[in-house]
Amino acid sequence: NAGVTQTPKFQVLKTGQSMTLQCAQDMNHEYMSWYRQDPGMGLRLIHYSVGAGITDQGEVPNGYNVSRSTTEDFPLRLLSAAPSQTSVYFCASSRVRGTDTQYFGPGTRLTVL
Amino acid sequence: AQSVTQLDSQVPVFEEAPVELRCNYSSSVSVYLFWYVQYPNQGLQLLLKYLSGSTLVKGINGFEAEFNKSQTSFHLRKPSVHISDTAEYFCAVMGGGFQKLVFGTGTRLLVSP
Repeated sequence: NAGVTQTPKFQVLKTGQSMTLQCAQDMNHEYMSWYRQDPGMGLRLIHYSVGAGITDQGEVPNGYNVSRSTTEDFPLRLLSAAPSQTSVYFCASSRVRGTDTQYFGPGTRLTVL
Repeated sequence: AQSVTQLDSQVPVFEEAPVELRCNYSSSVSVYLFWYVQYPNQGLQLLLKYLSGSTLVKGINGFEAEFNKSQTSFHLRKPSVHISDTAEYFCAVMGGGFQKLVFGTGTRLLVSP
């Protein structure tokens, strides 16, 4: 049981480039989410999904797209990277939406130059 | 919208000493409260959560927290810390109706010999 996996671990982009952060879970969880972590700001919710084919915006969705074609995968796309998107990105999953324990991936550290 | 405040950005403590990490949340009719721990270069891991019932909640690694509705607090305590407890600790709140999980800014616990 790998839990929640994220790739890549580190990434450096130039302003304007696009990329996809990958997230996968093998626990058959319905709920998945993406957070960004910035110093002094804790974690902020970017997008979430309550099941395959269903996504919604979180607190800071601008500049990011998501899709959920399978239960297992929830990729996060940066359309045109900006320096303000330099952050550590965490993917999380839980059995269902609500108070179920969320399991976090190890994170992706992204730097946008 | 729910919010949570962690007043202490950093708490230094000596090994085997007791520690309390403070968390206050914005009031609501019903809330669910969580403490997560993040060890260096890792994702977040659930320590404990309060959903209902007894106001004293016991978690993993000897940590416990007390839900105090009158003071809107959910402070985390451990009677005797170890070097391995050095990590960042996040308090989080979820409002009734299974709203999104909102994280505090985190408290870095530094345990020294």
